[in-house]
Amino acid sequence: DARVTQTPRHKVTEMGQEVTMRCQPILGHNTVFWYRQTMMQGLELLAYFRNRAPLDDSGMPKDRFSAEMPDATLATLKIQPSEPRDSAVYFCASGLGRDNEQFFGPGTRLTVL
Amino acid sequence: AQKITQTQPGMFVQEKEAVTLDCTYDTSDPSYGLFWYKQPSSGEMIFLIYQGSYDQQNATEGRYSLNFQKARKSANLVISASQLGDSAMYFCAMRDTGSQGNLIFGKGTKLSVKP
Repeated sequence: DARVTQTPRHKVTEMGQEVTMRCQPILGHNTVFWYRQTMMQGLELLAYFRNRAPLDDSGMPKDRFSAEMPDATLATLKIQPSEPRDSAVYFCASGLGRDNEQFFGPGTRLTVL
Repeated sequence: AQKITQTQPGMFVQEKEAVTLDCTYDTSDPSYGLFWYKQPSSGEMIFLIYQGSYDQQNATEGRYSLNFQKARKSANLVISASQLGDSAMYFCAMRDTGSQGNLIFGKGTKLSVKP
């Protein structure tokens, strides 16, 4: 049963701390997306990769967010320093190419105090 | 700019009845894709159904069907024979094939199925 996995599932941290979220895409998928979900803004794209290369990260606050794919089985999203307004659920999704459906991971629920 | 609109914040349906969740979209691109996702209270996003803008027939997947009306720019989700487990948030999303593949989501509709 192929699934996107994300760790941690929940994270509570204090303002100013570094947060790292990890995603393992479905094996063989070559596109990876990071989305953020909040009550106010809904689901928003933060960044995405194809074949491990970043294609668009215009949705991310560049001064504090960074996204990488060190290898085909791992994508990371880092926030440094974290702020209370970063509190949200962060989803990773993967897919096969541009024109196919995206499969979402369970999300990381981040709370920044 | 592309936009997805879901005008129903919440819907109720009786178990075993059918329900339609509305979705309208706006795009200037002639080629696009439309998706529906389900998000139960556990939080995961579950892919339900896909419709391509050039598909001749409306998409169906089990109890889910998509009522695609291109001229009206609407892509309503129809759930037949509702079950208690269908209670969830439902998101309509669009991918403009001129983009790199990311999805633009509507605000969602919360469906509650009554026993």
